[in-house]
Amino acid sequence: DTAVSQTPKYLVTQMGNDKSIKCEQNLGHDTMYWYKQDSKKFLKIMFSYNNKELIINETVPNRFSPKSPDKAHLNLHINSLELGDSAVYFCASSQFTDRNYGYTFGSGTRLTVV
Amino acid sequence: AQSVSQHNHHVILSEAASLELGCNYSYGGTVNLFWYVQYPGQHLQLLLKYFSGDPLVKGIKGFEAEFIKSKFSFNLRKPSVQWSDTAEYFCAVNPNTDKLIFGTGTRLQVFP
Repeated sequence: DTAVSQTPKYLVTQMGNDKSIKCEQNLGHDTMYWYKQDSKKFLKIMFSYNNKELIINETVPNRFSPKSPDKAHLNLHINSLELGDSAVYFCASSQFTDRNYGYTFGSGTRLTVV
Repeated sequence: AQSVSQHNHHVILSEAASLELGCNYSYGGTVNLFWYVQYPGQHLQLLLKYFSGDPLVKGIKGFEAEFIKSKFSFNLRKPSVQWSDTAEYFCAVNPNTDKLIFGTGTRLQVFP
């Protein structure tokens, strides 16, 4: 069973489109995250949700809107896609009360905006 | 500014060579420390972590790391690398907040 699953794995779209990436975790964790990995492999947190509540919102354009319908899901919707949004987006989860355990990452969604 | 630094951006080794990748952080207070590995085209996998106790931490695949508090360092080591260790290695710090701060990564290439 996949612990943190993201769909789609690859996404190619034109500038100006709106797209969504879905993430689900079956680990029973209460906190989920979105990270962006740019072309130089640098990983930066975008958002974090704990029990469906937004707790971290880094400096991310408001074209990016996370949604957490329940603590097992965290989706990322992106409006008006731009070339600079091309990156690999990783979802992750952890247990807030036991962060020592670490974070489990999904396999990533490679977004290419053309 | 608070940060995580990995000074080795690209390391090239032959099989059986020893490996040490540097990681320094600039956060004060209690931190949890991690090393993740990303094989080509794959997701991040946890190699090892430190949160308390013995500062020498052993992880999977023969990797280990040593936490030196006075140097704010958490260097990753492996005595003898294999071709299959070719990957990107990320040091990460959880400075007692609810996010993981990553270093810029080190690309390791191992040649047979």
